[in-house]
Amino acid sequence: QKEVEQNSGPLSVPEGAIASLNCTYSDRGSQSFFWYRQYSGKSPELIMSIYSNGDKEDGRFTAQLNKASQYVSLLIRDSQPSDSATYLCAVNGGSSNTGKLIFGQGTTLQVKP
Amino acid sequence: GAVVSQHPSRVICKSGTSVKIECRSLDFQATTMFWYRQFPKQSLMLMATSNEGSKATYEQGVEKDKFLINHASLTLSTLTVTSAHPEDSSFYICSAISSVGTDTQYFGPGTRLTVL
Repeated sequence: QKEVEQNSGPLSVPEGAIASLNCTYSDRGSQSFFWYRQYSGKSPELIMSIYSNGDKEDGRFTAQLNKASQYVSLLIRDSQPSDSATYLCAVNGGSSNTGKLIFGQGTTLQVKP
Repeated sequence: GAVVSQHPSRVICKSGTSVKIECRSLDFQATTMFWYRQFPKQSLMLMATSNEGSKATYEQGVEKDKFLINHASLTLSTLTVTSAHPEDSSFYICSAISSVGTDTQYFGPGTRLTVL
């Protein structure tokens, strides 16, 4: 079983819609959760971090964390074509807190005009 | 804030030569930096963890004598690909964690290495 799992997609949504990206993780002791966006040929850029159960909003982005279900999600409201990218879920901490991130394989999002 | 730079952004070299890639944290001190490699259409692969003033910790399967890492200061880590071969051609990305604050990793822009 992979430690961090994401649906590779592609997830296709029309412009203006809400895109919902999901991620599950296996280490129940994980403490820190991150969403990164990676455009083709570029390095990952941080969208949001979340550490506590519940929702965290930043502009059009909302991260949701449910530690009991070992589930973290990212909602993108009013999706734009420029949001088309691969979204990486990353988890840190847990039973071996070395600072290393465990990445999911990424979900490719396509926002169609 | 939290800007990480890499140099060079792109390098082409002949097989058998060595290539050094620099990773700098520009506006914060980083006790820990990480080096990743990414092949086309594949996920990031962690190569090693670099801690200032100590030897790097390499992931399983990564040759430490081929990928030399030096973290000489709180703002600079270098990766040297020794005796590069075409199969080493890849996108190399570093990241850094601030010595204060959260455990967020900030990524550099990456270095694209092509070995002829």
